[in-house]
Amino acid sequence: EAGVAQSPRYKIIEKRQSVAFWCNPISGHATLYWYQQILGQGPKLLIQFQNNGVVDDSQLPKDRFSAERLKGVDSTLKIQPAKLEDSAVYLCASSPSSGGENQYFGPGTRLLVL
Amino acid sequence: GENVEQHPSTLSVQEGDSAVIKCTYSDSASNYFPWYKQELGKRPQLIIDIRSNVGEKKDQRIAVTLNKTAKHFSLHITETQPEDSAVYFCAASSMNYGGSQGNLIFGKGTKLSVKP
Repeated sequence: EAGVAQSPRYKIIEKRQSVAFWCNPISGHATLYWYQQILGQGPKLLIQFQNNGVVDDSQLPKDRFSAERLKGVDSTLKIQPAKLEDSAVYLCASSPSSGGENQYFGPGTRLLVL
Repeated sequence: GENVEQHPSTLSVQEGDSAVIKCTYSDSASNYFPWYKQELGKRPQLIIDIRSNVGEKKDQRIAVTLNKTAKHFSLHITETQPEDSAVYFCAASSMNYGGSQGNLIFGKGTKLSVKP
């Protein structure tokens, strides 16, 4: 079974620039999550999708972050404009259930904002 | 909302010894408690989980215990090996099948070092 795929793996940008991350979940997984993991901390949920609908985006800084999951499969997360404090690893996870269990993580995208 | 505290932040043990990591949670509605292992530069991997209707669960050298009254749960690793060295994260969630809940709240992690 193929795992969660993410790209790019690394990205370096300057502050105020834009960046986008892509995630392809495990086939058949209806639930998709985006997490932000700052160095030395646990992952923090940004947004949860159930199929192509948003379930929870209460922790998403909507003035600069946006995410979509068209057709209920792949998802993109965008930051525009980026700030220094956005430097982190952005993890995508998927799950076959909607209750938060059995989440499988992708390798993450390491973002450095200069 | 839910808050998860994890201790210790670092733990060093000799190969063959046991390691215990403890977490506390604040929301009594939380009913799902997974543990993730994250090696340096790699993705978090689910190693064991427990639901609130169970007090203990074992999987080979790994066990998790849950005390709902005290709102704390622990990870126990026996006969530790160098390959157990990693950062371990606990998390809590209030699963609500068919509803909109189910978000994991993670602890800050414990860096476990197993010395040969």
